[in-house]
Amino acid sequence: SQTIHQWPATLVQPVGSPLSLECTVEGTSNPNLYWYRQAAGRGLQLLFYSVGIGQISSEVPQNLSASRPQDRQFILSSKKLLLSDSGFYLCAWNSDGRCYGYTFGSGTRLTVV
Amino acid sequence: DQQVKQNSPSLSVQEGRISILNCDYTNSMFDYFLWYKKYPAEGPTFLISISSIKDKNEDGRFTVFLNKSAKHLSLHIVPSQPGDSAVYFCASCADGLTFGKGTHLIIQP
Repeated sequence: SQTIHQWPATLVQPVGSPLSLECTVEGTSNPNLYWYRQAAGRGLQLLFYSVGIGQISSEVPQNLSASRPQDRQFILSSKKLLLSDSGFYLCAWNSDGRCYGYTFGSGTRLTVV
Repeated sequence: DQQVKQNSPSLSVQEGRISILNCDYTNSMFDYFLWYKKYPAEGPTFLISISSIKDKNEDGRFTVFLNKSAKHLSLHIVPSQPGDSAVYFCASCADGLTFGKGTHLIIQP
């Protein structure tokens, strides 16, 4: 069966510090991978998606970047965190187009202080 | 510019009664709509969906209604149970999913 792992569950980081969130998927190959963020008072906002190794599409300009070094690994990074980067970050995968069969990870609560 | 709007941040319903969660959208290109349910500290899980060629889809206690002319959909939960307490996200799809802000449903005993 397919599973998705996301860590850490919670993170408190000072402004200006770097960030690395990791997401891995098991039990499938060549998944579409997504990073979403839910900031306070806002919906789930798509940050990045990837349809293959090294292929990253950014939906919004921001202080973050994403990488896909392996087929089932998706990493969200920042060189210097801002207060506005605080939020709940979710990784997701699917294999059937851009709308169907999403499976989300359990999320990371990031607080930038 | 919010393309999917859930205007009620929270909704409180008595156990056993009907819960109705509403969602409006602006993009007429959206042709597939989904509802996700989210518990605290967990990722959203898929609940029910509807294609734009239908106006109703039912799955057990959950029914989604779509009014294309009004660009409005709603999720009905009957009867509401304590385990239904969660945040519900409406999502629509054209080229990828666009989510609303969510509605926190609270089922009171």
